[in-house]
Amino acid sequence: SYVLTQPPSVSVAPGQTAKITCGGNNIGSKRVHWYQQRPGQAPLLVVYDDTDRPSGIPERFSGSNSGNTATLTISRVEAGDEADYYCQVWDVNSDHGVFGGGTKLTVL
Amino acid sequence: EVQLVQSGAEVKGPGESLKISCKGSGYTFTSNWIGWVRQMPGKGLEWMGIIYPSDSDIRYNPSFQGQVTISADKSTSTAYLQWGSLKASDTAIYYCARGASGSSYFDFWGQGSLVAVSS
Repeated sequence: SYVLTQPPSVSVAPGQTAKITCGGNNIGSKRVHWYQQRPGQAPLLVVYDDTDRPSGIPERFSGSNSGNTATLTISRVEAGDEADYYCQVWDVNSDHGVFGGGTKLTVL
Repeated sequence: EVQLVQSGAEVKGPGESLKISCKGSGYTFTSNWIGWVRQMPGKGLEWMGIIYPSDSDIRYNPSFQGQVTISADKSTSTAYLQWGSLKASDTAIYYCARGASGSSYFDFWGQGSLVAVSS
């Protein structure tokens, strides 16, 4: 089964840029999606198909994907961005979805 | 407005059966896949499986196949997740989510259903 690897935690000061990575074998050939989950809430889609943003998601959220690493970038980080972030892909070989282990973003 | 409304919290004993629900509204229920995601206490998201309500085509994560059953009722726009014999390790929050058309992401999520299994 396909494995996605995320760092357990990332810390950043307000106003700075946070980068959250998602590693997987040749992940650049897959479409990567990112979700934000605040404590006690359901997940929220923030980036889909590598780089696209749903309506209502600030432009500060962006994504990229190449080689073996996909990255979610959050610019001008705010206190409200503090949450867990998960990447997700579709594993064509086993025909099911896969989530990464999640990254806790802490705003210092 | 797309909405997925899930059934309420459940407290069950080991060995009991359970069926939780997810009712869709604000869109054509048969046009999108519906998925189920598990989140155990303090842990990450786990992709369990998805169903296409139009023809009940189902894809399971092998880790969950045989452990749960996913189904859907087109007439009531409701998807279901059920267990035949609960275990303590089934204690978790279960989310349903709508699959986006033409891609593999979930664009709308239910509020989650807490299932607690304890003797």
